[in-house]
Amino acid sequence: SQKIEQNSEALNIQEGKTATLTCNYTNYSPAYLQWYRQDPGRGPVFLLLIRENEKEKRKERLKVTFDTTLKQSLFHITASQPADSATYLCALTWAGKSTFGDGTTLTVKP
Amino acid sequence: NAGVTQTPKFQVLKTGQSMTLQCAQDMNHEYMSWYRQDPGMGLRLIHYSVGAGITDQGEVPNGYNVSRSTTEDFPLRLLSAAPSQTSVYFCASSQNSRGEGEAFFGQGTRLTVV
Repeated sequence: SQKIEQNSEALNIQEGKTATLTCNYTNYSPAYLQWYRQDPGRGPVFLLLIRENEKEKRKERLKVTFDTTLKQSLFHITASQPADSATYLCALTWAGKSTFGDGTTLTVKP
Repeated sequence: NAGVTQTPKFQVLKTGQSMTLQCAQDMNHEYMSWYRQDPGMGLRLIHYSVGAGITDQGEVPNGYNVSRSTTEDFPLRLLSAAPSQTSVYFCASSQNSRGEGEAFFGQGTRLTVV
């Protein structure tokens, strides 16, 4: 069956460092992979989308890579700030259905 | 521009009761979907719709019904509530008709079944 795994439930880093989150998938050949941010008690908010023919995508301090051979996406936040503390979800959509990972909770300490 | 609006925000039901969770979007999106999120977990797809009059099942459809009579509205009905349906429910919409793009989420409905 199709499965998405985000490699760790929690990640703690110091302000100013780069946070790297991992999303692995199996039994998919997705055309798109998305990353969302979710704050406690709120709905997910879209951050970035990367297509299968794109190796890397950037938006301000965010960078996403997509390796369809390894079936893996990496999500980087550079120069992290305490305001970046949240849960980050990756998602794949295939044949009209979206599957989300369980998320990684990032805590950036000042 | 309101985006995706869900009502109610909170609800407590007794086992066996039925209710409808409302979802409306004002972005003229064709694709709409319902998810549930249990503590410490990601979102699981319940039902989705690619346009008015068209619905289909997601990963966890049992115990839930949907209909899509207009582009704007996509209500989720719980037929006979069970404690296992205690969860946070999110509605989302996407411009892409296959849901393959940015999804806009509502603020969620926190449902407790006692």
